[in-house]
Amino acid sequence: SQTIHQWPATLVQPVGSPLSLECTVEGTSNPNLYWYRQAAGRGLQLLFYSIGIDQISSEVPQNLSASRPQDRQFILSSKKLLLSDSGFYLCAWTFGATEAFFGQGTRLTVV
Amino acid sequence: AQKVTQAQTEISVVEKEDVTLDCVYETRDTTYYLFWYKQPPSGELVFLIRRNSFDEQNEISGRYSWNFQKSTSSFNFTITASQVVDSAVYFCALSPRGTSGSRLTFGEGTQLTVNP
Repeated sequence: SQTIHQWPATLVQPVGSPLSLECTVEGTSNPNLYWYRQAAGRGLQLLFYSIGIDQISSEVPQNLSASRPQDRQFILSSKKLLLSDSGFYLCAWTFGATEAFFGQGTRLTVV
Repeated sequence: AQKVTQAQTEISVVEKEDVTLDCVYETRDTTYYLFWYKQPPSGELVFLIRRNSFDEQNEISGRYSWNFQKSTSSFNFTITASQVVDSAVYFCALSPRGTSGSRLTFGEGTQLTVNP
């Protein structure tokens, strides 16, 4: 069966520090991968999605970037965090245009 | 542009009551998918249902049922005989139907609290 792993679960980072969140999927090949962000008390917003290695689409201009160095690995990064980057980050995968399955999420607090 | 509206920010019911969560969507796509997800306090999103835009049959799964009405662009979710374990945030979402993956547009969510 397919599983998705996301880490770390929580993270507290100072303003201006770099960020790297990692997500991996097991049990499937060539998944579509996604990064969503949920601000406190709000719905989820799609940040990036990828249909293949090194194929990244950005949905919202921002201080973040994404990379997919391997088929089942998706990384969310920032060179310098802003206070507004705080939120709950969720990685997800689909196989084609189907329902998305989400990781456990990373709660990021920028201080 | 796509949009999903969940007008009910919070709902509070007593256990065993029936509760309906409303969802209204906007899209220019002729084919699309609609979804409901549950987010318990742990934060992980749990998939509940996917509905194709061309399939307007209502669906029932145990205590859960969904009413899709294309004419009113609504996809409502009813929990029958609610239980405390149903307490969570529920999200309605929309995705264009195509080969480029499932890019979900979420509503703002409805916080459901079921009291014993």
